[in-house]
Amino acid sequence: DSGVTQTPKHLITATGQRVTLRCSPRSGDLSVYWYQQSLDQGLQFLIQYYNGEERAKGNILERFSAQQFPDLHSELNLSSLELGDSALYFCASSPPWGDTQYFGPGTRLTVL
Amino acid sequence: GEDVEQSLFLSVREGDSSVINCTYTDSSSTYLYWYKQEPGAGLQLLTYIFSNMDMKQDQRLTVLLNKKDKHLSLRIADTQTGDSAIYFCAEARDNYGQNFVFGPGTRLSVLP
Repeated sequence: DSGVTQTPKHLITATGQRVTLRCSPRSGDLSVYWYQQSLDQGLQFLIQYYNGEERAKGNILERFSAQQFPDLHSELNLSSLELGDSALYFCASSPPWGDTQYFGPGTRLTVL
Repeated sequence: GEDVEQSLFLSVREGDSSVINCTYTDSSSTYLYWYKQEPGAGLQLLTYIFSNMDMKQDQRLTVLLNKKDKHLSLRIADTQTGDSAIYFCAEARDNYGQNFVFGPGTRLSVLP
């Protein structure tokens, strides 16, 4: 158990809908990262927040957005969902000195 | 190139040693990581090596780093069926723990 929690574990929805994925980092970690893992694209970095502020952006679509709240939990919002958005979405956190990332168990999103 | 590269598949017999190889791209990367992903699970940090080291041993795991060739390897001694998983190599391209770049993962199959 890495100490990073993600909810929900599974999510099934329809095209065009909007969903919110939630992540709680390990105690004391200030950074939260979001990744998408799909069969054809591998593990893709989406976005990073550090202590409430966006720090780095990767291959994140404009339909996707994220935020980190004062209690350091983070949410990833996916809107206008398409079939190709079906994937595992991982959250990771890292301590303030940032030397490694600890991953949550992931949320499996299925878009029908 | 920009990508971290790994062979996609490796099969070994139970009890043999496994060697998983990775080529990374940024010679200034400070940390290099190995993560393990079992079916249906998140990424588990196995080990990491700081760029000023050339070897790190942790029980059955040995990490070798060749900075000149930007080559990283993970050796698993006495491979067991429980070691069957996907192994990801990753590099941290800055000192703040962000800008992690993952390889495509090597699927290790351990045959009885």
